[in-house]
Amino acid sequence: KQEVTQIPAALSVPEGENLVLNCSFTDSAIYNLQWFRQDPGKGLTSLLLIQSSQREQTSGRLNASLDKSSGRSTLYIAASQPGDSATYLCAVPSGGSYIPTFGRGTSLIVHP
Amino acid sequence: DTGVSQNPRHKITKRGQNVTFRCDPISEHNRLYWYRQTLGQGPEFLTYFQNEAQLEKSRLLSDRFSAERPKGSFSTLEIQRTEQGDSAMYLCASRVGDNYEQYFGPGTRLTVT
Repeated sequence: KQEVTQIPAALSVPEGENLVLNCSFTDSAIYNLQWFRQDPGKGLTSLLLIQSSQREQTSGRLNASLDKSSGRSTLYIAASQPGDSATYLCAVPSGGSYIPTFGRGTSLIVHP
Repeated sequence: DTGVSQNPRHKITKRGQNVTFRCDPISEHNRLYWYRQTLGQGPEFLTYFQNEAQLEKSRLLSDRFSAERPKGSFSTLEIQRTEQGDSAMYLCASRVGDNYEQYFGPGTRLTVT
């Protein structure tokens, strides 16, 4: 059974800082890993999907890396802005499955 | 492409009543997922459809829960004899074929009083 842990659980930073959010998983036999953003009371917005054959993906100020062998992924946010404030979730399928297990998320506040 | 839509957005019901939620996936997305999310937790998988076939169900999905996807288009999730513990956000997501990226709807927030 896949277990997904996200560290830190919460983060409060001043605007402009570069951030690293961590996601670890127990079963490394995965097809992919997906990072999402969730605003309070809303659905999830897909940020980045990394296939198991890839090491990283980039979109604008976001960069996600994947190290399957160590069961880790990081989401790097460059030059954070108040609009980045949200909860960030990673989702990892169980080995041999397309059904993702989600972490509890990292709640991010970027203050001006 | 209008994205995944869910209705209603909010539902307040009394314990013991039945409720039904609807999800309209992105057109041509043949895979559809239902999740439940409570405060401070990540979404938990409930069930998965490929076209009209329900391929997987979580052990979380008790006998009071039923989901359908007639004709492989929209899907419904019904909860019978609701309990206070059913209060949560119910999320729907869809994807297409071999593209594993999931797209989520805005969710239906259920409150059972």
